[in-house]
Amino acid sequence: DAGVIQSPRHEVTEMGQEVTLRCKPISGHDYLFWYRQTMMRGLELLIYFNNNVPIDDSGMPEDRFSAKMPNASFSTLKIQPSEPRDSAVYFCASRRTSGSWTGELFFGEGSRLTVL
Amino acid sequence: GNSVTQMEGPVTLSEEAFLTINCTYTATGYPSLFWYVQYPGEGLQLLLKATKADDKGSNKGFEATYRKETTSFHLEKGSVQVSDSAVYFCALRVITGNQFYFGTGTSLTVIP
Repeated sequence: DAGVIQSPRHEVTEMGQEVTLRCKPISGHDYLFWYRQTMMRGLELLIYFNNNVPIDDSGMPEDRFSAKMPNASFSTLKIQPSEPRDSAVYFCASRRTSGSWTGELFFGEGSRLTVL
Repeated sequence: GNSVTQMEGPVTLSEEAFLTINCTYTATGYPSLFWYVQYPGEGLQLLLKATKADDKGSNKGFEATYRKETTSFHLEKGSVQVSDSAVYFCALRVITGNQFYFGTGTSLTVIP
C-alpha cells in the first residue's frame, strides 16, 4: 500500500520566494495534518483538515502560510513570501476515522525546506 | 490541557543495554497513548500504542504500559541494538479531539 506521499523531499530557495509543498494522503483517510519540525520547537501542528475542510488552523504561524485541500487526495502548504526562519522539515500525516477512535497517524517522509 | 512530557536527550547506550525513556502526560479526557519512532531522514512511524489503563503496547522488543495512576507511558527495551538509533516521540490523543499531542522527542544513539 502506498503511504503518505510528499513532494518535494528537499527544497532550497531564497528569501522572498514562494514555496509550495505537496501531499497525497493515504487513500480512504479523511483527516490530513500538516506539521513542522525544527530543533528549537520540535513537532508543531500547523493545520488539519477533515473531509477536505480546514478544521483548525490555529497553528499556522502567520498570514504568509496558507494550506488548501481541493480534493481528498491532494493538499498543499504554501509559504509566500518565504523567510529564513521558515527553514524546517514539513510533514504531512493522515488518519482514517474508524470504529476505533484510536486510529493512528501515518506520516510522510517530509519536505526539508531551506530558505537562504 | 493536553500535553506530553518526555525525558530530555540525547541518550547514548552501548549495544545490549537496557533502555528506558520516560513519558508522562496530562489530558482533559481519556487518552490513547502512543510511541512513534523517527529514523534519520524519515517520517515518524508508529512503534506501539495503548488505549486504556494497564494496557501494554509492544512491538520489536519495545514495551510501554499505560499507567493511569501515575499518568505515565514509559518506553522500555531489554537489549537495544545499533539499529534502534532514532528519535522517539511519546504522544497522546483524547477521545473528544482529533489532535495528537507530541512530546519533544528523545534522541537515542546505540554504539557497538
